Amino acid sequence: DGGITQSPKYLFRKEGQNVTLSCEQNLNHDAMYWYRQDPGQGLRLIYYSQIVNDFQKGDIAEGYSVSREKKESFPLTVTSAQKNPTAFYLCATGEGGQEQYFGPGTRLTVT
Amino acid sequence: GDSVTQMEGPVTLSEEAFLTINCTYTATGYPSLFWYVQYPGEGLQLLLKATKADDKGSNKGFEATYRKETTSFHLEKGSVQVSDSAVYFCALRYPSHTGGFKTIFGAGTRLFVKA
Repeated sequence: DGGITQSPKYLFRKEGQNVTLSCEQNLNHDAMYWYRQDPGQGLRLIYYSQIVNDFQKGDIAEGYSVSREKKESFPLTVTSAQKNPTAFYLCATGEGGQEQYFGPGTRLTVT
Repeated sequence: GDSVTQMEGPVTLSEEAFLTINCTYTATGYPSLFWYVQYPGEGLQLLLKATKADDKGSNKGFEATYRKETTSFHLEKGSVQVSDSAVYFCALRYPSHTGGFKTIFGAGTRLFVKA
């Protein structure tokens, strides 16, 4: 059953702590993306990766970091430098100009 | 730069009413256009797509036509159901100058359908 998994679904952290969000795919897609969604807003691109061991900053990369050591995995770390980390985070894959496939999302709450 | 503008919500309709959600875009090239749907607490799912001008995407009674002359991709459904209540996102996908492809999403339109 092909798809994208994100874990955990809900994550709670104290301010000042780094936290890593998991994203795994078995669609065999080269490109993977991280988006942030805030209430009532569209999706904003944080980072994307076209191929293993390569990634580029998106529109709101400050305070975030990623790695792409395997084709199947694209973890996102929300660092303490991110000023407003509470949000819904979505991981996605995509091939060329075709549609993107999304994971179920992780809701991060930082207090 | 490229952008997507869609009508603000929420849109509230009675069951079996006609639905239109407007979407317009600006693009320098020839992007592919998409409508995605998001149910509460979930990720986005593709609803329909069109990859070139005059293409019509359709799925589950929803339709949208890629209109290059008006730079629009309006979503329509003839008779909505309560189960159509969700947030709908218009999006365009284009080749990035840094390689690969990127997607721009509209702000989303929340649809409420009353029984």
